[in-house]
Amino acid sequence: GAGVSQSPRYKVAKRGQDVALRCDPISGHVSLFWYQQALGQGPEFLTYFQNEAQLDKSGLPSDRFFAERPEGSVSTLKIQRTQQEDSAVYLCASSFQDTGREKLFFGSGTQLSVL
Amino acid sequence: QKEVEQNSGPLSVPEGAIASLNCTYSDRVSQSFFWYRQYSGKSPELIMSIYSNGDKEDGRFTAQLNKASQYVSLLIRDSQPSDSATYLCAGGSNYQLIWGAGTKLIIKP
Repeated sequence: GAGVSQSPRYKVAKRGQDVALRCDPISGHVSLFWYQQALGQGPEFLTYFQNEAQLDKSGLPSDRFFAERPEGSVSTLKIQRTQQEDSAVYLCASSFQDTGREKLFFGSGTQLSVL
Repeated sequence: QKEVEQNSGPLSVPEGAIASLNCTYSDRVSQSFFWYRQYSGKSPELIMSIYSNGDKEDGRFTAQLNKASQYVSLLIRDSQPSDSATYLCAGGSNYQLIWGAGTKLIIKP
């Protein structure tokens, strides 16, 4: 496809359940970011990939959060033993290069609700 | 102090008027600055980027950057109801963007 694709669009999980969120970036984009956005807030950085290398995971809230991009394209954000405070929209974004001056292309996000 | 600060609003502007959105930033943010628009329930989309001091115009939008005072602004001329959205200011630091919380703009017909 032409844009960044995220799935699922909505996810309802019971507390304690594991979830996996998928991001399919624009083909050829080097940089891939995961963000968490709470209602009424700006995106909060979670982690950054340059191709398959995870260069920064400083924003991951706890060791329950894990992200991978094994072949430098599709990325998965996994949350283990979900908690209510994990409820948010998870945004994936990609850019062609890694200079910090590039336009970010966002996916539609995954809205996670933990009950 | 947050690294990128914006007034959360809402900012209410009559249709046809100029909307002025402001953002201040800390020393950590230095390279590049972006304004993204986010409609409710949608993902952010880039409106403007600016890297140098001064003004940059694109259609009805003008971004202004003042590095000495550490602020960046976005002016929207001839505001339309379709401009009603949350405007996110972001500053670049190496590969990473630091985001403000956004200003909600309401254009009243």
